[in-house]
Amino acid sequence: SQELEQSPQSLIVQEGKNLTINCTSSKTLYGLYWYKQKYGEGLIFLMMLQKGGEEKSHEKITAKLDEKKQQSSLHITASQPSHAGIYLCGAGLNQGGKLIFGQGTELSVKP
Amino acid sequence: EAGVAQSPRYKIIEKRQSVAFWCNPISGHATLYWYQQILGQGPKLLIQFQNNGVVDDSQLPKDRFSAERLKGVDSTLKIQPAKLEDSAVYLCASSFGGVGTQYFGPGTRLLVL
Repeated sequence: SQELEQSPQSLIVQEGKNLTINCTSSKTLYGLYWYKQKYGEGLIFLMMLQKGGEEKSHEKITAKLDEKKQQSSLHITASQPSHAGIYLCGAGLNQGGKLIFGQGTELSVKP
Repeated sequence: EAGVAQSPRYKIIEKRQSVAFWCNPISGHATLYWYQQILGQGPKLLIQFQNNGVVDDSQLPKDRFSAERLKGVDSTLKIQPAKLEDSAVYLCASSFGGVGTQYFGPGTRLLVL
């Protein structure tokens, strides 16, 4: 099984709707990173969370890291077609800096 | 500030041939990473360099893959000989320090026929 599980694996929403993507680990996370990837391209850094309970926002995207530092959620408010892509969470499972990634969540936004 | 550069963007080869990918990290970033991303999966770390030294290459298939970062700046990843299962996107990333945010290049999409 994956060390880092994302859910759902894919999501289709109507433009303007809110949505949430989850990232869960069975181990304590040392830094949780959210990236966005368009098909065939590299990963674009969105946000990084380190402290339990931390919450960060950028435009209409909000990410939270739970108190026990084993789960993170990414919430998009009033989705737009520009939000479409693959969202990946990456996490450090130790203090050495190495990241592992979830399998990704593919988001489609219908106009 | 220029981002991480990679070339080529696409490569198609026959199995058993060799191929090489090049990466130039963000200026001043000491740490460089090579990842393999198979379709439908998240990236998997192949090798991590700190300056020109290897920090982690535990998941690099050393019988066919090799990587170097001779002057502590740009890096090359080579596959020789390639297998069908090597078809993937090869991503390069860099960070200022070993535990800093990683910034990714556009990737090289490899198809092995």
